[in-house]
Amino acid sequence: AQSVTQLDSHVSVSEGTPVLLRCNYSSSYSPSLFWYVQHPNKGLQLLLKYTSAATLVKGINGFEAEFKKSETSFHLTKPSAHMSDAAEYFCVVSGVNTGFQKLVFGTGTRLLVSP
Amino acid sequence: EAGVAQSPRYKIIEKRQSVAFWCNPISGHATLYWYQQILGQGPKLLIQFQNNGVVDDSQLPKDRFSAERLKGVDSTLKIQPAKLEDSAVYLCASSFQEGHHSYEQYFGPGTRLTVT
Repeated sequence: AQSVTQLDSHVSVSEGTPVLLRCNYSSSYSPSLFWYVQHPNKGLQLLLKYTSAATLVKGINGFEAEFKKSETSFHLTKPSAHMSDAAEYFCVVSGVNTGFQKLVFGTGTRLLVSP
Repeated sequence: EAGVAQSPRYKIIEKRQSVAFWCNPISGHATLYWYQQILGQGPKLLIQFQNNGVVDDSQLPKDRFSAERLKGVDSTLKIQPAKLEDSAVYLCASSFQEGHHSYEQYFGPGTRLTVT
């Protein structure tokens, strides 16, 4: 079975400082990994995805994540936080269920950005 | 491009009542998903359709939950009778499927259900 563990339920940063949201995964084979963002009262939006190509993945809004197989990690980073980055972030692992994509979500990390 | 549409956006019911949620996926997306997101948790897949057929409903509490996608386009999720623990946001998502390859899932805004 596949799973992800988000190591922090809340992360607080000041605007303009770096962001680090941590995620470890467990998978019996080479996984596909994603980060989704959820703003209040809005749908989930895909930030970036890793599908066994380059280990450093760049996403939207300046976010990036690095796949580290030796550490089974897929941490999300951004060099400089913006107030609009305040949201809930989900690390997600994808399995294949009879040929169809099946997403397994972590419990989420709430990012708080202060002025 | 229009996104995934869901209605209603909010619903408050009493326990033991029934409720139904509607989802209209992005045009051309054959795969449709219903998720349940309880407060403080990540979304959990309830059921997955490919066109009008069920691919996976292993996590659907079938004694009270049902879902259909009769014409392979829009879908309805029903709860009857509702319990307090069903209070959650119900998310619908859709994706394009090409053979055995699934593309990105696009999510709707969700329906927030409160059971009192």
